[in-house]
Amino acid sequence: AQKVTQAQTEISVVEKEDVTLDCVYETRDTTYYLFWYKQPPSGELVFLIRRNSFDEQNEISGRYSWNFQKSTSSFNFTITASQVVDSAVYFCALSEAHSGAGSYQLTFGKGTKLSVIP
Amino acid sequence: DAGVTQSPTHLIKTRGQQVTLRCSPKSGHDTVSWYQQALGQGPQFIFQYYEEEERQRGNFPDRFSGHQFPNYSSELNVNALLLGDSALYLCASSHRDRGQPQHFGDGTRLSIL
Repeated sequence: AQKVTQAQTEISVVEKEDVTLDCVYETRDTTYYLFWYKQPPSGELVFLIRRNSFDEQNEISGRYSWNFQKSTSSFNFTITASQVVDSAVYFCALSEAHSGAGSYQLTFGKGTKLSVIP
Repeated sequence: DAGVTQSPTHLIKTRGQQVTLRCSPKSGHDTVSWYQQALGQGPQFIFQYYEEEERQRGNFPDRFSGHQFPNYSSELNVNALLLGDSALYLCASSHRDRGQPQHFGDGTRLSIL
């Protein structure tokens, strides 16, 4: 069975600090996808990034960067120079590649609540 | 380009009642998934619909059922409501290609009294 662990329940940082959100996953599949979503207080889950299991290149998008390491089954997310608008709950998620189109489900971690203090 | 829309936004029911939640997928998407998110928890997968059929199901009882219509919109039905069914119900849509990101609606907040 697949599992996602986000050990950090809550993190508080002062604005402009860098912060890293940890994600560790478990799966028996060799082909899988990893995702990060942001959930602001409004409730909607906002897609941030997708990574497939064959692509271990790190990715940077503006102030966001992601570090994928298969050797440690981790997919960590770093926000550089944090801003108040980054305050939200962040979820890491995993999907395994089942046979058949349209047939995959997301397994989410419990989320990390990030508070950026001005 | 409209995103995923869900209705209603909030709903209050009593134990034993039945409820229907609705979802319209993002334009171009043909797959709809439903998730239940309890307070302080991550979303839990309920089921997924593609080509009007349930394709995958999570660990939820038969009281949870759904439907997908020819226009790809979907309904989630819950019968014999329990207090524990109080949660945010999220609908997500995606394209049928494996690994495509799911895009979520704002959710329906269901409260059971």
